[in-house]
Amino acid sequence: DTGVSQDPRHKITKRGQNVTFRCDPISEHNRLYWYRQTLGQGPEFLTYFQNEAQLEKSRLLSDRFSAERPKGSFSTLEIQRTEQGDSAMYLCASSPGSKMGTEAFFGQGTRLTVV
Amino acid sequence: AQTVTQSQPEMSVQEAETVTLSCTYDTSENNYYLFWYKQPPSRQMILVIRQEAYKQQNATENRFSVNFQKAAKSFSLKISDSQLGDTAMYFCAFMKPGRGGTSYGKLTFGQGTILTVHP
Repeated sequence: DTGVSQDPRHKITKRGQNVTFRCDPISEHNRLYWYRQTLGQGPEFLTYFQNEAQLEKSRLLSDRFSAERPKGSFSTLEIQRTEQGDSAMYLCASSPGSKMGTEAFFGQGTRLTVV
Repeated sequence: AQTVTQSQPEMSVQEAETVTLSCTYDTSENNYYLFWYKQPPSRQMILVIRQEAYKQQNATENRFSVNFQKAAKSFSLKISDSQLGDTAMYFCAFMKPGRGGTSYGKLTFGQGTILTVHP
C-alpha cells in the first residue's frame, strides 16, 4: 500500500455540472476525512467517517455536497450543481483508529476548477 | 471552537541556517494534540512533528523541534540546519480529543507559512 490515493488529480468542469471525486485510504485505516483547501489557505474540515458511518459534517458542506463510504473502504465526494466558489483543492486523509493523537495521512488531493 | 493562527505568511532562510515559524491557538480544552505539517509544492502534506499537550517536554525530530508554551497557547517550529528540501508550506494544526480519550482525528489548521530556503 503506497498511501492515500485520490482520483482524479485535476478536474475542470462547467458551472452547474456535477462532479465526483474518489479517495482510497490506507487499507487498514478505519477513519477517513475530507478537507477543502483554497489557494494560500489551510485545509478546512468537511466531513469524517469512521468505517462506513459519517460521524460529522461541517457547516461548510452545503446540501450540494454529499460524501459516502459504502463499505468502509474507499470514499466518494460528490458536488452537485457546481459553482465557481467550489473551485479548490479537495484533500482526503485517513488515520488508523482510536489512539489519541494518531497521525492523519493525506492524499495528493483533487484540484477542482469550475469555469 | 478552536482557532489556529500563523502570523507569518512567508519566511525565508539561507541554507544551513535556523528558522522559527510561529503558531498560536485558542482552545478551552486541557488535553489535545498539536502538529506541524509540511506541504511541498504540488505534493502531499506530510507530518513533521507532533506534541501532546499533557507533556511538558518539547518534541524533537532530528532537525525539527518545537517550543510549546501551553499557558501562552503558543507552538513554534524551529528548523535547524535548513536544507533546500525544506522549502514548502508549513501548517500548524490542532486536534482535540474525542470522547473517552479516543482520537477524534479532526484537524483545525492555521493559514500556513510559506518557507523558502535559499542556497
